Amino acid sequence: ETGVTQTPRHLVMGMTNKKSLKCEQHLGHNAMYWYKQSAKKPLELMFVYNFKEQTENNSVPSRFSPECPNSSHLFLHLHTLQPEDSALYLCASSQELAGVSEQFFGPGTRLTVL
Amino acid sequence: KNEVEQSPQNLTAQEGEFITINCSYSVGISALHWLQQHPGGGIVSLFMLSSGKKKHGRLIATINIQEKHSSLHITASHPRDSAVYICAVTPTGNQFYFGTGTSLTVIP
Repeated sequence: ETGVTQTPRHLVMGMTNKKSLKCEQHLGHNAMYWYKQSAKKPLELMFVYNFKEQTENNSVPSRFSPECPNSSHLFLHLHTLQPEDSALYLCASSQELAGVSEQFFGPGTRLTVL
Repeated sequence: KNEVEQSPQNLTAQEGEFITINCSYSVGISALHWLQQHPGGGIVSLFMLSSGKKKHGRLIATINIQEKHSSLHITASHPRDSAVYICAVTPTGNQFYFGTGTSLTVIP
C-alpha cells in the first residue's frame, strides 16, 4: 500500500449507530488531518494531529471523536450522528518542513446518515 | 466571507482550449496550493508555491504575493482534465484555508 488509504469508502448508518472511519498513511509523515466536505462548501478542517497529539479541533461536535494511536493511523469514531453530517470525509497527512507542508489526501469515505 | 475566493465556479471548455482559473486570498500566507479532485472524491496536490511560477506538463501555476492572487493555467485542455480544482492557502504549517473549487468540464 502506498500513500494515504481510507476505509470504508462508503458508509450508510442510522442516527443511533456507532461506526468508525479509518485512515492509514504510508509516507512517514508527522501530521494527520480529518476534513469534512459537504456539497457546495469549502473543505472544513475538523482535527489535526502532530506526532500523535491533537493540535486543532475546529469546534467539531462531540459526536465526532478522533483517535490517533500512532503517527501512521487515524480514526474518526462516529455516534448519534445527524442527517446533516452526511458528507465526504477526507483524511490527509503531511510532513511539516520549515513551516510549510504539502498535504497528501486519501480517497475519502462517503458517509450517509439516515 | 471565505478567506479564499475562486473564479469561475464552473467552467466548460472545448478540447484544446487554454484555461485559466483564478484564486484570491485575504490572509498572509507561507504557501498556496492547487489541488485537483476527480468525481471519485480523491484529492491530488498539483502545486505548492510561495512565489513566482511553476510548470508541470500542461499545467502552469503563478502567484503574486503583493496582490494576493494566483492563477492556474491549463494549456491544450483535454477531457481527462475535467475535475474540480481547489485553491488552498497555508498561513502557517498546519492551517489550511480552502476555496470552494472550480468545476471544469472539457468537452471533446
